[in-house]
Amino acid sequence: DTAVSQTPKYLVTQMGNDKSIKCEQNLGHDTMYWYKQDSKKFLKIMFSYNNKELIINETVPNRFSPKSPDKAHLNLHINSLELGDSAVYFCASRGTGGGGTDTQYFGPGTRLTVL
Amino acid sequence: KQEVTQIPAALSVPEGENLVLNCSFTDSAIYNLQWFRQDPGKGLTSLLLIQSSQREQTSGRLNASLDKSSGRSTLYIAASQPGDSATYLCAVRIKSGGYNKLIFGAGTRLAVHP
Repeated sequence: DTAVSQTPKYLVTQMGNDKSIKCEQNLGHDTMYWYKQDSKKFLKIMFSYNNKELIINETVPNRFSPKSPDKAHLNLHINSLELGDSAVYFCASRGTGGGGTDTQYFGPGTRLTVL
Repeated sequence: KQEVTQIPAALSVPEGENLVLNCSFTDSAIYNLQWFRQDPGKGLTSLLLIQSSQREQTSGRLNASLDKSSGRSTLYIAASQPGDSATYLCAVRIKSGGYNKLIFGAGTRLAVHP
């Protein structure tokens, strides 16, 4: 069974639109993340939530608004999409056993294309 | 500011060869280092995680070493197979405020040909 799942897998949309990406994990983890992988394949953290609370925000434009309705879900809403938002967005989760020791699990990614 | 560099950026080898992928990081204050594999159009799969107090970890044909003081890690793949073809990403976990986060390298794209 999938540990971290994302929907949709592909998203093609026009500039200026608003779109959402959903993420769910069934691992019982406390911490969830959103990453962006650009065309050069560089993977960068955007947000991190711990028990539904925002703990890391990497100076991402406020057009991006994460929402965590519960510990198992972290959704990403993007307003007024721009061409530069085209990328692959990965959701991830991690248990917090203490000391930053646990493995991080990634979803399959959502390829966003803004036309 | 922590930076992670991976060398080489791309590697093409014949099947059966042993190979080494390199990862370096600028700040030795890390919690751990993790190697991931990414297949085209797919997510990341964790291969090995080395705690900052450890020197190496092994899983099957993979062996990862860590020299924290010099800011280096290597991923050794023995007897490479075409199925090993993928991008290999190195990431270090560092402190961020009261929490921590992963900083990734740009990856090494490996192609193993029959």
